[in-house]
Amino acid sequence: AQTVTQSQPEMSVQEAETVTLSCTYDTSESDYYLFWYKQPPSRQMILVIRQEAYKQQNATENRFSVNFQKAAKSFSLKISDSQLGDAAMYFCAYRSEVDYGGATNKLIFGTGTLLAVQP
Amino acid sequence: DTGVSQDPRHKITKRGQNVTFRCDPISEHNRLYWYRQTLGQGPEFLTYFQNEAQLEKSRLLSDRFSAERPKGSFSTLEIQRTEQGDSAMYLCASSFQLSLTDTQYFGPGTRLTVL
Repeated sequence: AQTVTQSQPEMSVQEAETVTLSCTYDTSESDYYLFWYKQPPSRQMILVIRQEAYKQQNATENRFSVNFQKAAKSFSLKISDSQLGDAAMYFCAYRSEVDYGGATNKLIFGTGTLLAVQP
Repeated sequence: DTGVSQDPRHKITKRGQNVTFRCDPISEHNRLYWYRQTLGQGPEFLTYFQNEAQLEKSRLLSDRFSAERPKGSFSTLEIQRTEQGDSAMYLCASSFQLSLTDTQYFGPGTRLTVL
């Protein structure tokens, strides 16, 4: 079974600085997707960034980028030029690529990292 | 695109009562998922529909839980004889099977408190 581990329960960053959130996962599959979701306090979860395992190039979305190390099973999120609105719980998630009628479509989440942004 | 909506947003009930939650997915999405999130934890998968067919259920989904998606559009999640351990945020997500990545988009959740 696949597992996702986020070893940093809480992180803090100064506004305009850069922060990196860690995520490791365990799987025997070769094809899969990885995601970072953001969940602000009392607000809904939104997708930050996704990475297809078959792509060697790291995904980037504006100030958000990932460092995907497939061999090491590591998927960290870098937030550049941190803003107050980045404060939230960040979840790393895994999903299998293989789609046998969608039976493996579920997301497997880590326990999250609570990011505080200091003004 | 109005996003995934869930109703109600909050529900307080007494132990032993039945509750029902509703999820309306993004209109063109044919896949719908239910997750449960307890305080300080990541969401855990409960069940999943493709169109009206329920294709997978987690072992977390006890006999007291039932989910339906009768016409392949909205879905309901019912919990019978609620217990205090059912207190959690219930999240719904939807996705489009034929999109490139079949990414799941989440609703705001229904927070259940069982007294």
